[in-house]
Amino acid sequence: DAKTTQPTSMDCAEGRAANLPCNHSTISGNEYVYWYRQIHSQGPQYIIHGLKNNETNEMASLIITEDRKSSTLILPHATLRDTAVYYCIVRGTGGGNKLTFGTGTQLKVEL
Amino acid sequence: EPEVTQTPSHQVTQMGQEVILRCVPISNHLYFYWYRQILGQKVEFLVSFYNNEISEKSEIFDDQFSVERPDGSNFTLKIRSTKLEDSAMYFCASANRLGYNEQFFGPGTRLTVL
Repeated sequence: DAKTTQPTSMDCAEGRAANLPCNHSTISGNEYVYWYRQIHSQGPQYIIHGLKNNETNEMASLIITEDRKSSTLILPHATLRDTAVYYCIVRGTGGGNKLTFGTGTQLKVEL
Repeated sequence: EPEVTQTPSHQVTQMGQEVILRCVPISNHLYFYWYRQILGQKVEFLVSFYNNEISEKSEIFDDQFSVERPDGSNFTLKIRSTKLEDSAMYFCASANRLGYNEQFFGPGTRLTVL
């Protein structure tokens, strides 16, 4: 699975959009980009995933660059409850289905 | 909304004792996982399980670990002889298909080995 790079931490004002970047310059053609988050020692929570098209669901939007070497997770109206560690994970479909978590981005949403 | 449940939420044990951590995956899911997270460290994959057998395991998952699906609903992780370094949060996860799937995680069991 391709390696990802994320900023260690970010701050966001409540009600504003939170834009979390992820670099995955070695991503290969069949690898998807997944985003999970972990709220203070709870189990990780799936947010969204995509291959090359932008994706949106009730939680977030995922913007993937045309060359697929980077992506941005957007939380359109961040709330205090969105304070968490956000993990960008790149994985293909071959082999096992394990998720390899990095250190992620600690997002702090403040009033 | 269906969810993965885990029991107990906190387990304290003495070094050398056996522990069994229990998970009830989402009912129509077929793929099951255990991960662990030592305090302040990354979430680490331990093992995946499908069709009543291990499909993949990490280097951490040595002979002292075992998994079982004893009935149609439970999925267990057994640690035969616990060590101090086994102290961690243990998360169970399940998924309904391979490939481009999301995994649903339980709330975790905090294992403390004294």
